[in-house]
Amino acid sequence: EVHLVESGGGLVQPGRSLRLSCAASGFTFDNYAMLWVRQAPGKGLEWVSGIHWNSDYMGYADSVRGRFTISRDNAKKSLFLQMNSLRAGDTALYYCVRGSGAYYSKDGFDIWGQGTLVTVSS
Amino acid sequence: QTVVTQEPSFSVSPGGTVTLTCGLRSGSVPTTFYPSWYQQTPGQAPRTLIYSTNIRSSGVPDRFSGSILGSKAALTITGAQADDESNYYCALYIGSGIWVFGGGTKVTVL
Repeated sequence: EVHLVESGGGLVQPGRSLRLSCAASGFTFDNYAMLWVRQAPGKGLEWVSGIHWNSDYMGYADSVRGRFTISRDNAKKSLFLQMNSLRAGDTALYYCVRGSGAYYSKDGFDIWGQGTLVTVSS
Repeated sequence: QTVVTQEPSFSVSPGGTVTLTCGLRSGSVPTTFYPSWYQQTPGQAPRTLIYSTNIRSSGVPDRFSGSILGSKAALTITGAQADDESNYYCALYIGSGIWVFGGGTKVTVL
């Protein structure tokens, strides 16, 4: 069975950094693109970032470009999101999502994790 | 800034059919935007229903179908059931490596 388990969320002060991780199991990790999607409390879904199966292409939402960095370790079946210069507006539940195929730019989203909560507040 | 539009809410009777749409504030939605659809009930993670316009994700019943209707992407629920009562989100790939979600449609079955 496919599982995605996020970790690394928590309470952080504005301007500080946080690194999210996502551990994957139950599928051949390096066959699939991976993405991060977030949801602020009581709000809708917002795509954050995506990465192709082989890390040769990454993309970011305008709201996080230049502050967040996505990466993956195929050997460890793990996805990461390094979040710097955090703002109150980054407060959200962050979901790790497996792509429908190898290229996140066209294959869309498929399997979702349960999310990890990031709260940015002083 | 690209804005993806969805109806705020819809009501459907049990056993009825409802079609939700996903559009752009300016322009049409082509298949090359790979429209996809997600279902989310409160307190739960989203579940993928449809990707690449009309491909059902594994395990999704065939009463959920995706299409392009006119200038918009569409999700049709045929034979609505009580547990279809959820929020439904669409997402579009607008190019340059960027996906955008719509604001979501709340579907009530009554």
